[in-house]
Amino acid sequence: DAGVIQSPRHEVTEMGQEVTLRCKPISGHNSLFWYRQTMMRGLELLIYFNNNVPIDDSGMPEDRFSAKMPNASFSTLKIQPSEPRDSAVYFCASSPGGGSSYNEQFFGPGTRLTVL
Amino acid sequence: GQSLEQPSEVTAVEGAIVQINCTYQTSGFYGLSWYQQHDGGAPTFLSYNGLDGLEETGRFSSFLSRSDSYGYLLLQELQMKDSASYFCAVSGNTPLVFGKGTRLSVIA
Repeated sequence: DAGVIQSPRHEVTEMGQEVTLRCKPISGHNSLFWYRQTMMRGLELLIYFNNNVPIDDSGMPEDRFSAKMPNASFSTLKIQPSEPRDSAVYFCASSPGGGSSYNEQFFGPGTRLTVL
Repeated sequence: GQSLEQPSEVTAVEGAIVQINCTYQTSGFYGLSWYQQHDGGAPTFLSYNGLDGLEETGRFSSFLSRSDSYGYLLLQELQMKDSASYFCAVSGNTPLVFGKGTRLSVIA
């Protein structure tokens, strides 16, 4: 069975450009999480969804960041406009459901974003 | 809010045992999880403790003391492939909050 799929794996863009990261969770998983990882701040939860509904977006750093989950098999994280400080590895993760299943999350390979 | 403390780096010899400690402060605590991440890779789940005590999975064990807000990951019979970063994470009012990670280097 395929794991969490993310695209692109690497993205290099210039400041001010729009960036869209994509994620396909594991089939049957009801919860989806977007994380950002940097050396300075570690692994930070940006937003998570249950059954395609955003539950908590308090980790989204600014209004430049937005996330959607139009259906159970697809989610996007958009940054518009991008800035150099957005450079990081962005991970998508999924878990079977809410509650205790949050503890075992399955991570995608990540998207390494570089904003010049 | 939630905060976690774990050592930033640990070095151990192949075949030895190493313990990585984690202390936490959180509201609405549900449990403590551990994840492994190799350089350039994604975090992968290792273990979860929802109750006090020791959980064993092969060479890895994890311990939790809720009264002390403390847990640890124990790695036995260390192998070179165990060189990675290890993260503790607490679940509470938010699904998972991760510590900054402990970089384990296994040397021959």
